[in-house]
Amino acid sequence: SQTIHQWPATLVQPVGSPLSLECTVEGTSNPNLYWYRQAAGRGLQLLFYSVGIGQISSEVPQNLSASRPQDRQFILSSKKLLLSDSGFYLCAWTGQSNQPQHFGDGTRLSIL
Amino acid sequence: GENVEQHPSTLSVQEGDSAVIKCTYSDSASNYFPWYKQELGKRPQLIIDIRSNVGEKKDQRIAVTLNKTAKHFSLHITETQPEDSAVYFCAARYVDMRFGAGTRLTVKP
Repeated sequence: SQTIHQWPATLVQPVGSPLSLECTVEGTSNPNLYWYRQAAGRGLQLLFYSVGIGQISSEVPQNLSASRPQDRQFILSSKKLLLSDSGFYLCAWTGQSNQPQHFGDGTRLSIL
Repeated sequence: GENVEQHPSTLSVQEGDSAVIKCTYSDSASNYFPWYKQELGKRPQLIIDIRSNVGEKKDQRIAVTLNKTAKHFSLHITETQPEDSAVYFCAARYVDMRFGAGTRLTVKP
């Protein structure tokens, strides 16, 4: 069966520090991969999605970037974090167009 | 791209009553419509979905209806229980998945 791993679960970073969140999927090949951010009490904001290795679509211009170095690996990065980057970051994967997205457990990021 | 609107943003019902959440979408090419439940601090979990070739689907106390002509779909929860309290998200997908803003459902015992 397919599983999705996301780490770390929680992260506290100072303003201006770099960021790297990793997401990996097991049990499937060529998944579509997604990064979402969720502010407290708010909806899911799509940040990036990828339909294949090296293919990244950005939804919101900001100081974050994403990379997909391997088929089942999706990385969210920042060179310099801002206070506004705080939130709950969720990675998700999906297969065919009429299949559900499956979410990782999320990373709660706090910027101090 | 796809735009999904969800109403209401908050919903409070008495235990045992029904709850209905409605969503509209803009891209007529969307062919898959899932509903997710998210409890506080946890990841969204799929509770029911419907594909564009079906008008209604039911799973115990939960049902979803889809009107492709009007481009709207709804979640119906009957005989609500306190453990149904959570945030519910609708979504629509053609290439990528677009989510509604969420509905915070509170079921009062």
